[in-house]
Amino acid sequence: AQSVTQLDSQVPVFEEAPVELRCNYSSSVSVYLFWYVQYPNQGLQLLLKYLSGSTLVKGINGFEAEFNKSQTSFHLRKPSVHISDTAEYFCAVTRMDSSYKLIFGSGTRLLVRP
Amino acid sequence: DAGVIQSPRHEVTEMGQEVTLRCKPISGHDYLFWYRQTMMRGLELLIYFNNNVPIDDSGMPEDRFSAKMPNASFSTLKIQPSEPRDSAVYFCASTPGQRSGETQYFGPGTRLLVL
Repeated sequence: AQSVTQLDSQVPVFEEAPVELRCNYSSSVSVYLFWYVQYPNQGLQLLLKYLSGSTLVKGINGFEAEFNKSQTSFHLRKPSVHISDTAEYFCAVTRMDSSYKLIFGSGTRLLVRP
Repeated sequence: DAGVIQSPRHEVTEMGQEVTLRCKPISGHDYLFWYRQTMMRGLELLIYFNNNVPIDDSGMPEDRFSAKMPNASFSTLKIQPSEPRDSAVYFCASTPGQRSGETQYFGPGTRLLVL
């Protein structure tokens, strides 16, 4: 079985500061990794995903994430955040063997302050 | 494309009543997913379909929940009878299904409150 851990339930940060949202996963098989963002009262939207190749993945809105297989991590980063980045961020995994089941972490609320 | 469409966006009902949530996936997408989001349990996959056939319903909480997909452009999630603990946001998502690892596209959700 797979599981995803997002240790930080909330991350407050000032505007234009860098931010890192942490994600660790557990799986006995190879997985694909995703970050989704949920703005207030909206559905989830894909930020980025890791399928294969370069371990540094760039996504929308200036976000990037690095896959670290030895540490089973997929941390999300942004060098300079905006007020509009305030949202809930979810890390998720799915098995590589043609499974479509997404397993989500508990989410991290990013709160950007002026 | 209009994206995944869900209706209603909000539903308030009384305990014991039947509730039906509706979803229209993105045209051409072969997979459809139903998720539930609560503060206590986070995002949970309830059931998913491939080409209108249920593939995995292991996340469906109990017999009060049922889901159908009569055609490629429509799916329903029904709760009968509803209970206060069913209060949650229910999301529908779809994906083309050409290979694993594809992006799932989420609808705006239905916010259900059972009194």
